[in-house]
Amino acid sequence: GESVGLHLPTLSVQEGDNSIINCAYSNSASDYFIWYKQESGKGPQFIIDIRSNMDKRQGQRVTVLLNKTVKHLSLQIAATQPGDSAVYFCAGTNGSSNTGKLIFGQGTTLQVKP
Amino acid sequence: DVKVTQSSRYLVKRTGEKVFLECVQDMDHENMFWYRQDPGLGLRLIYFSYDVKMKEKGDIPEGYSVSREKKERFSLILESASTNQTSMYLCASSLERDGRYGYTFGSGTRLTVV
Repeated sequence: GESVGLHLPTLSVQEGDNSIINCAYSNSASDYFIWYKQESGKGPQFIIDIRSNMDKRQGQRVTVLLNKTVKHLSLQIAATQPGDSAVYFCAGTNGSSNTGKLIFGQGTTLQVKP
Repeated sequence: DVKVTQSSRYLVKRTGEKVFLECVQDMDHENMFWYRQDPGLGLRLIYFSYDVKMKEKGDIPEGYSVSREKKERFSLILESASTNQTSMYLCASSLERDGRYGYTFGSGTRLTVV
């Protein structure tokens, strides 16, 4: 079936370094992707999204890259800070306009070392 | 600021009790979802609703039911709580049925069944 998966369950980075969190998806019909951040004890919060007609989108300290050829997207966080420590999820549409739902990856835990 | 509000952050219930988890959104969204989140299993869809009085089973509906009497409110019901339903429950709503623009999540309810 369809899947969205993250490559690493845990990523540890030094404060100030850049972080890259990767995600792969299986459905070539997926045309919208979103990254969420979930802090401990809280619900997931929107970080950034990207449509399939784009390769890159930038926000504040975050960049999402989409490679449709290999069905891969990544979230880059610049100058990682302790407040970035959280679980990060990618999600994608399943390609159905009428009954579609977001398909979620399992999450990568980002640990920021001071 | 748009919101999805879950009525309880923490709940402790006894095995066999009937449990109600309430979710209210103020964004006039038609689409609402209930997920449970467990370590190593990610987000799993229990039920969703695309309209008032409408409900659809997700991936793990067994042991649960839902109610959507008003557009803004989506309730999850555990008919007879069991210890394997101890989990974090997340409610979400979305503007578009296919997931474009993403979901807005509540803060979650951590349910413990003893």
